[in-house]
Amino acid sequence: GAVVSQHPSRVICKSGTSVKIECRSLDFQATTMFWYRQFPKKSLMLMATSNEGSKATYEQGVEKDKFLINHASLTLSTLTVTSAHPEDSSFYICSARGDPTSNQPQHFGDGTRLSIL
Amino acid sequence: AQTVTQSQPEMSVQEAETVTLSCTYDTSESNYYLFWYKQPPSRQMILVIRQEAYKQQNATENRFSVNFQKAAKSFSLKISDSQLGDTAMYFCAFMKGPNNNDMRFGAGTRLTVKP
Repeated sequence: GAVVSQHPSRVICKSGTSVKIECRSLDFQATTMFWYRQFPKKSLMLMATSNEGSKATYEQGVEKDKFLINHASLTLSTLTVTSAHPEDSSFYICSARGDPTSNQPQHFGDGTRLSIL
Repeated sequence: AQTVTQSQPEMSVQEAETVTLSCTYDTSESNYYLFWYKQPPSRQMILVIRQEAYKQQNATENRFSVNFQKAAKSFSLKISDSQLGDTAMYFCAFMKGPNNNDMRFGAGTRLTVKP
């Protein structure tokens, strides 16, 4: 089946650091990638949707300058948390989708646990 | 906007027994897709089962089946012969179709299978 690789799986860093998370589709071309944030014992909240070669679409309330998304190729999207603070600590999950006309579900990465000290 | 409601924050079931997880949704769309995802302690999101709204037949995947009631906007998941490995968070999700990227998740139900 389709595989999405997310890296790193765990990040611990100091406040003020910028952190980059990568999401790669390993065996298919991901036309669209999605970034979610999940708080403990809560559901997944969509942060933004990125299409290859174009600017990401952010959900209401998500700071685009804080969470930079780049989808430069059909197999890679990156999320950069800029100048991270303790309140940015969370579990971040990416997902990827191929041809939208196929109406296939999203394939999820294994997530990144971000801890800001 | 579409909303997905899972009214059972936590459930438990004895190993080998059957359990049903509830999900309701609200939409004005006529064509859409519904999913159940499993998230074990490892936090990986695993697709359990999917249902196309235009199909009347309930989807089935081995021990997992759904009861899709389109008029009632209900999409429950039945797990038969529960196994310890079924212990996880279960999320119901809705996606508009066709050609739509927007997937919305319910709040989740934490299922514990007891030996």
